[in-house]
Amino acid sequence: DPKIIQKPKYLVAVTGSEKILICEQYLGHNAMYWYRQSAKKPLEFMFSYSYQKLMDNQTASSRFQPQSSKKNHLDLQITALKPDDSATYFCASSQDWINQDTQYFGPGTRLLVL
Amino acid sequence: GDSVTQTEGQVTVSESKSLIINCTYSATSIGYPNLFWYVRYPGEGLQLLLKVITAGQKGSSRGFEATYNKEATSFHLQKASVQESDSAVYYCALRGYNQGKLIFGQGTKLSIKP
Repeated sequence: DPKIIQKPKYLVAVTGSEKILICEQYLGHNAMYWYRQSAKKPLEFMFSYSYQKLMDNQTASSRFQPQSSKKNHLDLQITALKPDDSATYFCASSQDWINQDTQYFGPGTRLLVL
Repeated sequence: GDSVTQTEGQVTVSESKSLIINCTYSATSIGYPNLFWYVRYPGEGLQLLLKVITAGQKGSSRGFEATYNKEATSFHLQKASVQESDSAVYYCALRGYNQGKLIFGQGTKLSIKP
């Protein structure tokens, strides 16, 4: 059974619209993360949360807003979508927010903005 | 800021031959970073292959090994004899001291020639 669920798997959106990417983890972890991978680019860190509190934010744009309604949820709201936002978005989690802990990744949501 | 460099985007090795995938890093934060190799097999999600949290130590998993060389700032991945099942994309990553984010290299796609 998958331990980190990301929904939807694929998403097509029009420029200017808003979408929410869902992430749920069933590993009992206390820290969660979002990463993004655009075509031909490395995985890029976006946010980290620990016990539902924001720890790191590497995203310059306020159009990206993480939302943590429960300890095991970290959704990503993206507003005013642009074609450059097209990427695969990965959610990850780790037991705690310390540097030795392994981060486990979800399968990703592939977003295409037209 | 911190960075990870994988110089080869794609590597092709004949089955049963040895492999080395190069990884060098630059870490500007205080303390030594933790180093990781992640792997993505075809059709699967990103998963941890091995990690080393102490400079000078070696990590190993599934026949792969990597040594944390702080003098050379390298963390090359090696395997003595590759198999077709090793075909995948390999990512080197670091996590700086007291930081939540993983910083990834570009990834190296390994193809095995039968």
